[in-house]
Amino acid sequence: DAGVIQSPRHEVTEMGQEVTLRCKPISGHNSLFWYRQTMMRGLELLIYFNNNVPIDDSGMPEDRFSAKMPNASFSTLKIQPSEPRDSAVYFCASSSERDGYNEQFFGPGTRLTVL
Amino acid sequence: DAKTTQPPSMDCAEGRAANLPCNHSTISGNEYVYWYRQIHSQGPQYIIHGLKNNETNEMASLIITEDRKSSTLILPHATLRDTAVYYCIVRSPRETSYDKVIFGPGTSLSVIP
Repeated sequence: DAGVIQSPRHEVTEMGQEVTLRCKPISGHNSLFWYRQTMMRGLELLIYFNNNVPIDDSGMPEDRFSAKMPNASFSTLKIQPSEPRDSAVYFCASSSERDGYNEQFFGPGTRLTVL
Repeated sequence: DAKTTQPPSMDCAEGRAANLPCNHSTISGNEYVYWYRQIHSQGPQYIIHGLKNNETNEMASLIITEDRKSSTLILPHATLRDTAVYYCIVRSPRETSYDKVIFGPGTSLSVIP
């Protein structure tokens, strides 16, 4: 099993540009999460999907952020327009109900730098 | 609102047991205690979880007090590769709420040669 796959691993862009982060969850997992991590705010949950449907997007910072999950094997997190304060490591995680609990498997993250 | 309190940092000598404490005095009867860790530049990794009984797996042991207000994660023989930030998390079971996991600041464990 390849685990959760994220791309790109690193992204450097200029303020105002559109940024798209991609995630492929573990096959068979029905829950997907996007997190953001910064030194100041730690690890924050942005949005949670269950069976491809967004369940809780209360962590999405503002309208510049959007996330989609068109099918069970792919999700995107888009920032448009990007700002320097969006610089962070973005993690995708997936999970599947098993034996009454859920272990979240995290991807390697995408390090985003907005200049 | 993380619901847990952990010391910000700890040191442990290589080969010795690392005991990481966590306070969760407001835990509800059906809430589980989970532990994750994050090695530098990697995504968090699940370690172990428990409800009220002590638990052990290949990575660690989890000791939960009888009143469930605190717990301790034990790494029996710490190695340099165990240097990481350890997160203690309280979660409701899936059947009553969804998977929301709130990460606090955690404990930064440094294993010293």
